[in-house]
Parts: sequence; structure tokens; C-alpha cells
Amino acid sequence: GQNIDQPTEMTATEGAIVQINCTYQTSGFNGLSWYQQHAGEAPTFLSYNVLDGLEEKGRFSSFLSRSKGYSYLLLKELQMKDSASYLCAVRDSNYQLIWGAGTKLIIKP
Amino acid sequence: EAGVVQSPRYKIIEKKQPVAFWCNPISGHNTLYWYLQNLGQGPELLIRYENEEAVDDSQLPKDRFSAERLKGVDSTLKIQPAELGDSAVYLCASSLARRGGRDEQFFGPGTRLTVL
Repeated sequence: GQNIDQPTEMTATEGAIVQINCTYQTSGFNGLSWYQQHAGEAPTFLSYNVLDGLEEKGRFSSFLSRSKGYSYLLLKELQMKDSASYLCAVRDSNYQLIWGAGTKLIIKP
Repeated sequence: EAGVVQSPRYKIIEKKQPVAFWCNPISGHNTLYWYLQNLGQGPELLIRYENEEAVDDSQLPKDRFSAERLKGVDSTLKIQPAELGDSAVYLCASSLARRGGRDEQFFGPGTRLTVL
């Protein structure tokens, strides 16, 4: 079966760095995306990786290792507004997007 | 540029009643998705359209759910009859289908359905 694993919840301190991991087992691979979802709102796109390596975009970076079925989202200089759920989603060989359950990130002052 | 529009935002109905949700995607986006999302879970795909064609409806409970996308633009998702377990947020998303590259999905605000 297809499976995406993420930690359910993480806590970090304002101004610090946090890494949210995602491991996946899917039938084929055609890219991995990260989305941010604030409570009561819709998901919004953060990043996309299809090749191994690190993609940096401002305070957010996303890493992919296809051989390990692993990705992480790195958030630097955490701000209170970063409190949200972070969803990992993998596109399989049929170009269907498989979603993880999300990681709820709590930022403390 | 206007985003994905959904209505209604909230709906409360009694079980066995019908309900319909409407979605207007971003102009020019040929791919449209309907998801349901339960609290603390990721979105679950119900149906995906490419233009007017439903290309993936394998997860749609066809005994009670139906969807249409007339003229490849707006879409309607219907539940008849609704059951208690259908209470969830129903999300509509659209994208420019690019099979060979990044396929960023833009989500509407969702419809929160409560079935009593």
C-alpha cells in the first residue's frame, strides 16, 4: 500500500530552527510537495522537490532523498505565525497526490 | 487574480437530507479536485477532473456522492442522502496540470459540513 509518515505534533521556540520529517512508500514517484495549513484554513503550497537535494526559499527549505524515501522541511527563524500544520504530499506513478496526515507545529515564545 | 471560490462556507443538515457544494476554480486551471478533510488528517481525494472529464473518481462513494463539471469550469459535488460520517470539511482545489513538473494546487476556503 501507499503510506506517508510524519510526526503528529512538534513544539519549537520562537526564533529557533525546526525540521519536520516525512517518509514515504508509494507506487512510483513524481515529486514531493509541502503545504502549510493554518487552523480553520485551506492548505497553501510551500515547496516542491523532484530531484535529490535541498531547495531553499527564504526561511523555508525542503530536502529530498529519493533513495531513502525521505524528505524534510526546515523552518528557520521561527515566528509565531508559523504555528500551523505542515502537510507532506507525494505524487505517485499515476500522478495521484498522496497526502500525509500533517504535522502540527506549535511555536512557543 | 481571484482565488478558488467555494460556497457555502458552512452547512448544517440532518441525516438523510441532500446537500450540494459549489466550486469555481481559478481562471485557466483545467484540473479541479474535490477533497474531504477530517480534523487532524490530510486531505482525501474524492474526484479529480481534467477539463470536463473525471479522470480519477476511485475514492468517490458513488452510491451517495456525485459530481459534475459542466463546460470544464465550475463544479458541483452532491451528497444524497447524507450520513453522520459525512461531517467534514470539503475542499476544492485547482491547478494547471503539468505532468512533468510542479503541480501547485490552489485551495478554496472549504465547506464545513455538519450532519446531525
